[in-house]
Parts: sequence; structure tokens; C-alpha cells
Amino acid sequence: AQSVTQPDIHITVSEGASLELRCNYSYGATPYLFWYVQSPGQGLQLLLKYFSGDTLVQGIKGFEAEFKRSQSSFNLRKPSVHWSDAAEYFCAARNSGYALNFGKGTSLLVTP
Amino acid sequence: GAVVSQHPSWVICKSGTSVKIECRSLDFQATTMFWYRQFPKQSLMLMATSNEGSKATYEQGVEKDKFLINHASLTLSTLTVTSAHPEDSSFYICSAGRGIEAFFGQGTRLTVV
Repeated sequence: AQSVTQPDIHITVSEGASLELRCNYSYGATPYLFWYVQSPGQGLQLLLKYFSGDTLVQGIKGFEAEFKRSQSSFNLRKPSVHWSDAAEYFCAARNSGYALNFGKGTSLLVTP
Repeated sequence: GAVVSQHPSWVICKSGTSVKIECRSLDFQATTMFWYRQFPKQSLMLMATSNEGSKATYEQGVEKDKFLINHASLTLSTLTVTSAHPEDSSFYICSAGRGIEAFFGQGTRLTVV
């Protein structure tokens, strides 16, 4: 079955430190891949997406993600985390159509 | 970018009553919209696919008689939670596709008391 896995439920980083959130997918063919951020009680904001081409994708708010076909991964990174980055992060994937398959999410806590 | 508007953003209703949530694509037409449900501190689960002019397609385990979906126009889909119970309390989010992207509404927090 198609699935998206985010191995880390919670991650804590110090402000100014680098961040990497992991995402693995299990699909027959390479799906379209997305990262979303959700602040408490809010909707989803798209950070970045990968459809094809360059495997290093730049997004908003200083985030980037790298697609690695050999590892079936699409990890999200940020060189220097700000306190405002504390939120829930979701990796998602889809094939054709627009319905998304979401990972369980990673909760990011940023400490001073 | 495309805008999807969801209304209301939050609603409290009494157990046994029905609640309607609207999802509108403001600047584009959407033949297909999607409804997701998110329990506290959990991921989003697809509930159903709303198809303009035809019946919705429900995911396995979703009660179609409890969650009525209507997609009467190319810019509006509605989700009605019928005879709501406290266990229906959740965060409901809709999305609509345009080009190769899906755009999300702001979500509706439903609390059934």
C-alpha cells in the first residue's frame, strides 16, 4: 500500500541550530511530494513541493528539501531555526489526482 | 496563487443537530474537492472526494449518511455532519485542485457538546 512515513514524532532543536525532518515514502512510482506546516489550530501552509527535475527544492521561510530516489526520501532542512518555526510539519505525497496521503507529522519544539 | 475559503472557521453545536461546512474556490473552478479530517495531534485523513454534479466518493470507514457531501457548483462543496455527536468533534479541512497543485482551506474546528 502507498504510504508516507515520518519517523520522528517530536523533535527539539535550539534556536539557531540546523534542522532536518525526515520523510520516507512507499509508492510504486515516484509520487509528487510536499511539505506542509501547521501552527496550532490553523490550516496548512505549503512549504515546498517536488514534482520532477532538480532534486534540491527551495521553499518558503528558508526551508529546503532534498529528494533521494535511492532512499525513497524527501527530507526537509533548514540551516538555522527560528522560534517561530515551532509547529507541526507534515510530509505528503500523491500520484495522479489531487488527494494527498499525509505522514503522521513531526512536532517541532524550538528552545531558546 | 489559488484561494480556497472554508466557512465557518469554528462551530459549536449541540449533540443531535446538524452542521454544514462550506468550501469555496474563490478564483478558480474545481471539478473535484477533497475533505479531510484531523483528530487532535494526529495527521489528516482523507474522508471523501467531492465531484461536481455527481455523488461523492467516500473512503473506507467513513459513514456517507453521517457526512453528507454536496458539490453543486464548480466553486462550492459542502460537508454536512448530520446528527452530530461528541465523537464527531474534529478539525475538518477541504482542498481543491488547480493545475498540478492542491490548495487548502483554513479548516473548521467542530465541537459537539
